[in-house]
Amino acid sequence: DTEVTQTPKHLVMGMTNKKSLKCEQHMGHRAMYWYKQKAKKPPELMFVYSYEKLSINESVPSRFSPECPNSSLLNLHLHALQPEDSALYLCASSQEVRGPYNEQFFGPGTRLTVL
Amino acid sequence: QQQVKQSPQSLIVQKGGISIINCAYENTAFDYFPWYQQFPGKGPALLIAIRPDVSEKKEGRFTISFNKSAKQFSLHIMDSQPGDSATYFCAASRRSGGSNYKLTFGKGTLLTVNP
Repeated sequence: DTEVTQTPKHLVMGMTNKKSLKCEQHMGHRAMYWYKQKAKKPPELMFVYSYEKLSINESVPSRFSPECPNSSLLNLHLHALQPEDSALYLCASSQEVRGPYNEQFFGPGTRLTVL
Repeated sequence: QQQVKQSPQSLIVQKGGISIINCAYENTAFDYFPWYQQFPGKGPALLIAIRPDVSEKKEGRFTISFNKSAKQFSLHIMDSQPGDSATYFCAASRRSGGSNYKLTFGKGTLLTVNP
């Protein structure tokens, strides 16, 4: 299984809501990533987990809170978001993060709209 | 500061033609150069990648040419097909904090292959 799955596919939330994005992989990968992608832009790295520990936080606002419950699951908890946070949120995984040749497999993304 | 410069921003090619997308980088610490293909509404998918000790890599109709001294690399798509119409991102990987590596993406090229 070489697939990264993400749920939900679409999410609409108000600025006072709390919601969570979920990501799952069963490739035995030990590194998982959250990216944010605005329309017609490249993915921007938000967080990296390596062996279930947060290893990179790209100075993301605290209204985004990542969580890695186990090696197969990655969550992104959302609270008090702003309309400018509307974007495609991508999850990715790779075998390792310690090494340059870490092929990253991306999920299909969650299209988030903040009203 | 854009660390990986990609051109052109958009490209229109006739079916059967050759599509060429170019990328350039400044930081010699980059040591892995993947290309990702992204269809609308989907996550990026790894297309082909090259290490800096190799000058060319070919997989089917897709070829990466790498010029280490010029710090440039390019993607060639031979016999371009309408199904190749997508956004293509070049990327480069380098060490970032401790033993972690992360990808830096180019801005993307929207390829349209006309039938």
